[in-house]
Amino acid sequence: GNSVTQMEGPVTLSEEAFLTINCTYTATGYPSLFWYVQYPGEGLQLLLKATKADDKGSNKGFEATYRKETTSFHLEKGSVQVSDSAVYFCALSDQGGGGSEKLVFGKGTKLTVNP
Amino acid sequence: ETGVTQTPRHLVMGMTNKKSLKCEQHLGHNAMYWYKQSAKKPLELMFVYNFKEQTENNSVPSRFSPECPNSSHLFLHLHTLQPEDSALYLCASSQVGQGDEKLFFGSGTQLSVL
Repeated sequence: GNSVTQMEGPVTLSEEAFLTINCTYTATGYPSLFWYVQYPGEGLQLLLKATKADDKGSNKGFEATYRKETTSFHLEKGSVQVSDSAVYFCALSDQGGGGSEKLVFGKGTKLTVNP
Repeated sequence: ETGVTQTPRHLVMGMTNKKSLKCEQHLGHNAMYWYKQSAKKPLELMFVYNFKEQTENNSVPSRFSPECPNSSHLFLHLHTLQPEDSALYLCASSQVGQGDEKLFFGSGTQLSVL
């Protein structure tokens, strides 16, 4: 079945450091890919998404590129801030067009950014 | 106001108790979901309701009983739970059928089963 594997956390960085959180997936067909973020005490929020190969999703300085050849969707940010401290979830949907009913999530990666 | 409201935020219950979790969405969406979030495990989809009809039940034990009386409200009725059911229970909603669906989550109910 479909699955998502993301790097184990926790990740601790200093402010303005470069961030990469790795995510790889296994899926049949052509899934849409997502990054969700969960700030402390809150539910998950969609951060960015990509619906086809070579698409780049971006939001709030975060980027991820849909790489079909390596089945990856790594999350990056050039300069993190303390306010980026949260848990980040990679997810895929096997419904074309980004349907949300069959989202499969990774385990989440906790990021802590220190001033 | 996130658009999806869950109550209570925290719940402690014994294994013989019966309790209910409530979710309400103010976004006009037509689909609602229950997810279970346990430490060090991926989010687990439990139930999906489209237009008040249950369309997904991911082999969830019968001690969890969902109810969707209308497209804005979703309940999760709990009875004779086990300690391993302790987790964060997240409700979500989405608008299915418009080609750009995404999930909107509530803040969750942190459940502890003693």
